[in-house]
Amino acid sequence: ETGVTQSPTHLIKTRGQQVTLRCSSQSGHNTVSWYQQALGQGPQFIFQYYREEENGRGNFPPRFSGLQFPNYSSELNVNALELDDSALYLCASSLGRTGGDNEQFFGPGTRLTVL
Amino acid sequence: GDSVTQMEGPVTLSEEAFLTINCTYTATGYPSLFWYVQYPGEGLQLLLKATKADDKGSNKGFEATYRKETTSFHLEKGSVQVSDSAVYFCALKHSGYALNFGKGTSLLVTP
Repeated sequence: ETGVTQSPTHLIKTRGQQVTLRCSSQSGHNTVSWYQQALGQGPQFIFQYYREEENGRGNFPPRFSGLQFPNYSSELNVNALELDDSALYLCASSLGRTGGDNEQFFGPGTRLTVL
Repeated sequence: GDSVTQMEGPVTLSEEAFLTINCTYTATGYPSLFWYVQYPGEGLQLLLKATKADDKGSNKGFEATYRKETTSFHLEKGSVQVSDSAVYFCALKHSGYALNFGKGTSLLVTP
């Protein structure tokens, strides 16, 4: 069974640029959640996708957007990058909506640095 | 809103010492409570969880009890090993979609 994978591992961008991060969910999982983990902080929920539709969103501006594909893999897009967007971006997959008690399995993350 | 507060680290212990990492929460109702562990260069892994008051979660020698009267979910282990060195996150999930994490506590166990 393949776990959650994310690409790229590291990324460096400059302010104002756009970035796309990718996540492949664990086999059989249909829900993907994205979290932002700033240095020295706990992860903060960005949004969740369930069967290709956004299913919940945290306190992040609209320049953070996402997609989920028919194979349940997902992308996180961030436009107009700001210095404060520098963080570790974590993807987590689960089976079913996480309004219930379905365990989320996390990938290793993508480290984004904005200069 | 919901929030989780953890003791600040880093925590440095000698091998075989007793570990306690404090976690308290603020939430309405009855959230589920979790401990996650993050090893260097890896993603978060669920360590244990408890879904209702007085439940005890346990895994790999770690334990935590859901105490509603003190709104706490402290993590304990009787004898830590060097391999337990990691960052530990307390989290809650109320209704809805998202895990709400504390800031994390770094643990270093020395031989």
